[in-house]
Amino acid sequence: KNEVEQSPQNLTAQEGEFITINCSYSVGISALHWLQQHPGGGIVSLFMLSSGKKKHGRLIATINIQEKHSSLHITASHPRDSAVYICAVKGGSNYKLTFGKGTLLTVNP
Amino acid sequence: DTGVSQDPRHKITKRGQNVTFRCDPISEHNRLYWYRQTLGQGPEFLTYFQNEAQLEKSRLLSDRFSAERPKGSFSTLEIQRTEQGDSAMYLCASSLTGPRGGGTEAFFGQGTRLTVV
Repeated sequence: KNEVEQSPQNLTAQEGEFITINCSYSVGISALHWLQQHPGGGIVSLFMLSSGKKKHGRLIATINIQEKHSSLHITASHPRDSAVYICAVKGGSNYKLTFGKGTLLTVNP
Repeated sequence: DTGVSQDPRHKITKRGQNVTFRCDPISEHNRLYWYRQTLGQGPEFLTYFQNEAQLEKSRLLSDRFSAERPKGSFSTLEIQRTEQGDSAMYLCASSLTGPRGGGTEAFFGQGTRLTVV
């Protein structure tokens, strides 16, 4: 069993829909990251959080430390949001990240 | 300095050849990480440096793999006698960590996509 599990693996939405991607982890962490990866490989960090909630534009990330669960929400989704969204956790060693397999999001116009 | 840069972006090589990739981190970042990502999977940790010291190597990093960060700035990852199973995206990331362990999030490069034929 992976230490970081994401759901769903694939998600197709219509433009304007509200999107939720979930991440569950099984280890103690010091921080959780949400990352975006476009075709071609480059990874962009969206959020790093260790508690509560963060918001940036149309993106919202929440984390529940007790339940070992985080969600990434996208409001008013747009085709340019189409990408792979990856959850990664930083454990007690405080340096390396352990990644989920990612969620492939496709937003159709 | 616009971020983490990796070179080359793509590399196609014949099985058995040696390849070397370079990563230039964000200039003031003291930590540098290498990850490998195969198709449909999330990245997996390979190794990391604090300044010039290589502090951990994953068991994924066989004897054919070697990484260096000689001056605590750029890093190279060399794969000797490449095999088809080495085909993957090799990602570099850097971060700044303070003396008490806190610090910035990791910033990633665009990756080097290796294809071994």
